[in-house]
Amino acid sequence: GAVVSQHPSRVICKSGTSVKIECRSLDFQATTMFWYRQFPKQSLMLMATSNEGSKATYEQGVEKDKFLINHASLTLSTLTVTSAHPEDSSFYICSARIPDTGFTRPGYTFGSGTRLTVV
Amino acid sequence: DAKTTQPNSMESNEEEPVHLPCNHSTISGTDYIHWYRQLPSQGPEYVIHGLTSNVNNRMASLAIAEDRKSSTLILHRATLRDAAVYYCILRRGANAGGTSYGKLTFGQGTILTVHP
Repeated sequence: GAVVSQHPSRVICKSGTSVKIECRSLDFQATTMFWYRQFPKQSLMLMATSNEGSKATYEQGVEKDKFLINHASLTLSTLTVTSAHPEDSSFYICSARIPDTGFTRPGYTFGSGTRLTVV
Repeated sequence: DAKTTQPNSMESNEEEPVHLPCNHSTISGTDYIHWYRQLPSQGPEYVIHGLTSNVNNRMASLAIAEDRKSSTLILHRATLRDAAVYYCILRRGANAGGTSYGKLTFGQGTILTVHP
C-alpha cells in the first residue's frame, strides 16, 4: 500500500519548451506532496512542498515561476518545468506524506523519478 | 533541521552483516530517525525508522543509542541487491495537539558496496 506513481520516467525536450511531470497517489489521499531534484552523484534536494488546494512552498533559491507546482486534487500533484534549459536537466522525484500514519508505517513514500534531459 | 553525519562509503561482502552508522548529535526530543535507501535511477525506498527503542523489520534492524545522538542501521546478511546509497534522516514528529510531519531533508548518505 501507499504507492505513488510518477511519470514520465524519462523525457527529452528541446530548450525553451515546457515539460510536465505527474505524481499520483494510487491508494491513499495525499494532502502533502514534495518535489525533489537530484543531480548526478549528489543527494536529493528538496525543491518545494505542495499542499492540496493551496500554493506550494518553495525552498530558498528555487524559482517558483520556473518550476510550477499544482496540487489541485488529493491524488495528483504536477511539476511543470517552464522554458527548460540544459541546466534544468536532472532527476526529479516526488514524494507524498502518508496520512494517518501509525508508528509502523513509514510516513512518506516516493515516486520512481523522472529523468529530464533538455537538449 | 537537525543534521546527520554518515560515512561517505562502506564496503561489505555478500552474506555478511553490515553496520551503517549515523551521528545526529543535535537531535531533538520529537525527531524520528528514518533510514531510506536509493538504488541508481530510482526513488528512495523506506528501510526503517525509530524514535527511542531499537526496531526490527524484515529488511533491517535499527539500533538507537541511549542518548539518541547516534544510531546504526544493521543489515543482517548483505546481498548484492542491498548495494545502494543509504540515507539517515531526522523527521520532526507530531506537535502537541495534532500531527505535523516535517519535510525530509537528505544528507549525502553512505554508498554501500557489496562484494560477491
